[in-house]
Amino acid sequence: EIVLTQSPATLSLSPGERATLSCRASQSVSRYLGWYQQKPGQAPRLLIHDASNRATGIPARFSGSGSGTDFTLTISSLVPEDFAVYYCQQRYKWPVTFGQGTKVEIK
Amino acid sequence: EVQLVESGGGLVQPGGSLRLSCTASEFIFSSYWMSWVRQAPGKGLEWVANIKEDGSEKYYVDSVKGRFTVSRDNAKNSVYLQMNNLRAEDTAVYYCARDRRLDVSGSFYNDYWGRGSLVTVSS
Repeated sequence: EIVLTQSPATLSLSPGERATLSCRASQSVSRYLGWYQQKPGQAPRLLIHDASNRATGIPARFSGSGSGTDFTLTISSLVPEDFAVYYCQQRYKWPVTFGQGTKVEIK
Repeated sequence: EVQLVESGGGLVQPGGSLRLSCTASEFIFSSYWMSWVRQAPGKGLEWVANIKEDGSEKYYVDSVKGRFTVSRDNAKNSVYLQMNNLRAEDTAVYYCARDRRLDVSGSFYNDYWGRGSLVTVSS
């Protein structure tokens, strides 16, 4: 199975700062990688699909990049509602796998 | 608006069985793959299974193969997860999610999710 490793585990930032989250795959997943946001007590929400495409209704401050084994989710300027846990997911090969998550917390 | 509503969770003893249901509304259910994803308390997300639009293809994570079965009834806009021989490590919130290809040359992603159903396996 393809293992996705996210870093860092926790990111402590202030509103207005830039957040850079990493997801590394154990083998190439081409561009078939998505990013999800999850807030406490809520279901995940799709942010980015196919590495760099924002899902419907997702603000432009969220952007994704990468291909192959290295991917990045960038939040250009954090607002209070962005503090949450972020997961990457590969859809290149069965079984579908998720990274372990990066928590973005208020500093 | 698209809705997915899970039901059927609860407390079950190790070795027991449970059947989760997910009822969909406000979209053409028979045109979409559907997924089950779980989340153990305080842990990350784990994809469990999914099923093709017509039920002809099903995929599972290794840890549930032979114990869980995904199925669907398109006439009832519902997808199911039959869970047998449950173990303590199956304790989790189980989410139903829609799979959708959002880019013509891309893959499938979970664009809508239910609120989840808690399954607790304990004696």
